[in-house]
Amino acid sequence: QKEVEQNSGPLSVPEGAIASLNCTYSDRGSQSFFWYRQYSGKSPELIMFIYSNGDKEDGRFTAQLNKASQYVSLLIRDSQPSDSATYLCAVNLPAAGNKLTFGGGTRVLVKP
Amino acid sequence: GAVVSQHPSRVICKSGTSVKIECRSLDFQATTMFWYRQFPKQSLMLMATSNEGSKATYEQGVEKDKFLINHASLTLSTLTVTSAHPEDSSFYICSAKRGGQTSSYNEQFFGPGTRLTVL
Repeated sequence: QKEVEQNSGPLSVPEGAIASLNCTYSDRGSQSFFWYRQYSGKSPELIMFIYSNGDKEDGRFTAQLNKASQYVSLLIRDSQPSDSATYLCAVNLPAAGNKLTFGGGTRVLVKP
Repeated sequence: GAVVSQHPSRVICKSGTSVKIECRSLDFQATTMFWYRQFPKQSLMLMATSNEGSKATYEQGVEKDKFLINHASLTLSTLTVTSAHPEDSSFYICSAKRGGQTSSYNEQFFGPGTRLTVL
């Protein structure tokens, strides 16, 4: 079992709709969770981080964390074509010290 | 804040030569920097963790004598790919972790990446 898993997609979303991305992780002791956006040929850009159960909102983005079920999700409201990218989930594994472990990423396509 | 730069952004070299890539945190001190490699259509693979003033910690399968890492200051880490070969062609990305109280949750900020092509 991979430590951090994501559906590779592509997730096709009409413009203006909500894109919902999920990420599951295997280590129950994980403490902090991150969502990065990566455009093709570019490096990842931090969108949000979350460390407590529940929701965290920032603009059109909402991160949701459920430690009991070991998943973290990202919602993108009012999706725009510019949101088309690969979204990487990253988890801090305490056993790994300061390292982040990345999922394989979910490719999102927002169609006008 | 939290800007990380990399230089060069793109490099083409001949097989057998060495290439140095610089990673700088511009507006914060980075106690820890990380070097990743990404092949086309694949996710990030951590190569090594670089701590200022100490030896880098390499991930399993990464040759430390081939990928030399130096973290000489709190704002600069370098990766040198020695005796590069075509299979080393990849997108190399560094990230930096802020030191101090604001870093409680281990967020990393990425540089723009360096695309290495070995002929």
